[in-house]
Amino acid sequence: DIVMTQTPLSLPVTLGQPASISCRSTQSLVHSDGNTYLSWLQQRPGQPPRLLIYKISNRFSGVPDRFSGSGAGTDFTLKISRVEAEDVGVYYCMQTTQFPPYTFGQGTKLEIK
Amino acid sequence: EVKLVVSGGGLVQPGGSLTLSCAASGFTFTSYAMNWVRQAPGKGLEWVSYISGGSSTIYYADSVKGRFTISRDNAKNSLYLQMNSLRDEDTAVYYCARDVRGVLKYFDFWGQGTLVTVSS
Repeated sequence: DIVMTQTPLSLPVTLGQPASISCRSTQSLVHSDGNTYLSWLQQRPGQPPRLLIYKISNRFSGVPDRFSGSGAGTDFTLKISRVEAEDVGVYYCMQTTQFPPYTFGQGTKLEIK
Repeated sequence: EVKLVVSGGGLVQPGGSLTLSCAASGFTFTSYAMNWVRQAPGKGLEWVSYISGGSSTIYYADSVKGRFTISRDNAKNSLYLQMNSLRDEDTAVYYCARDVRGVLKYFDFWGQGTLVTVSS
């Protein structure tokens, strides 16, 4: 199974400042079709997860452009250019390249300082 | 508007059974694979099971294999998870999630979840 490891697990950020979350996989997430199926999900308190980014860097419909994704192979990053109050929650990376099983990172809790 | 409404959670004793349902609307249900994902209290996300649009392909996490059964009724736009031989460690909020396959491969919509508590 592919293990996904996120850092940091806790991320206090001042409003208006940038934030960055790292995600590393134990195997390359490049699929045999040449695509890399790495997604980022946001889970606000008391809510189900919500898709933010797919295929490393593509923002899902309705996601603000302050969210961006980057990376390749086994190392990926989610960046928020200027954190807003509504960004509080837990962020997960998820791989869908090799399954079963689909696997998630442990989650990174973003809070406002 | 895509909607996934999860129901069926509750309190059950260890060794007991429960069936969860996920009612889908706002899209052509049979065209999409579906998944169950769970989240233990205060913990992260764990994938549980997958079923293709026509039910021909089914997968389970090792932690539930042999105890849980995923199924769907495309005529009723509904997804199910039959859970048997429940254990304390199955306590979690269970979500259904729509799976977009092909060259996208992401979970784009999630139900609100239902809490399953396994306790004596």
